Amino acid sequence: ETGVTQSPTHLIKTRGQQVTLRCSSQSGHNTVSWYQQALGQGPQFIFQYYREEENGRGNFPPRFSGLQFPNYSSELNVNALELDDSALYLCASSLPGARYGYTFGSGTRLTVV
Amino acid sequence: GESVGLHLPTLSVQEGDNSIINCAYSNSASDYFIWYKQESGKGPQFIIDIRSNMDKRQGQRVTVLLNKTVKHLSLQIAATQPGDSAVYFCAENRQNAGNMLTFGGGTRLMVKP
Repeated sequence: ETGVTQSPTHLIKTRGQQVTLRCSSQSGHNTVSWYQQALGQGPQFIFQYYREEENGRGNFPPRFSGLQFPNYSSELNVNALELDDSALYLCASSLPGARYGYTFGSGTRLTVV
Repeated sequence: GESVGLHLPTLSVQEGDNSIINCAYSNSASDYFIWYKQESGKGPQFIIDIRSNMDKRQGQRVTVLLNKTVKHLSLQIAATQPGDSAVYFCAENRQNAGNMLTFGGGTRLMVKP
């Protein structure tokens, strides 16, 4: 059974650019959630995807968007990058409902310069 | 506002001693709590969870206590080992919040040999 894999592991972008981060969910998990973790802070919920549709969103602007594919893998897209977008982006997969347990990936470290 | 927070940012313990990490939450609607361990360069790893209809749950070397009266959660680690050194987060999920987890700011546990 494979866990959650994210790519790339590290990324440096320039302010104003766009970025796409990728996530492959754990086998059997059909729900994917994305979190942003700033340095020294706890993760913050961005949004969740289930059956290829957004199913819950945190307090993030529309320039944060996502996709989920039929194989349950997912992408996080961020447009018009700002310096404050520098963070560790975590993907977590689960069955529907967090009470069945999340499995987190190791994240993508995004640095915006 | 609604939040999940931690009392101490850093906890230093001697190897072999017991560790207690505390967490306060403010939303009385919170009914599911999870403790995560995050090592450097990795995503959060599930340790133990507890539902609001319980006040104590035990795992291997770990115990979570929930006091709903004062909205307080604690993680006890018995016989702390160097491998326990990490940042620990409590997270909250509410019945109507789908898969969204609200994380606290984290406590860094340092184990001295």
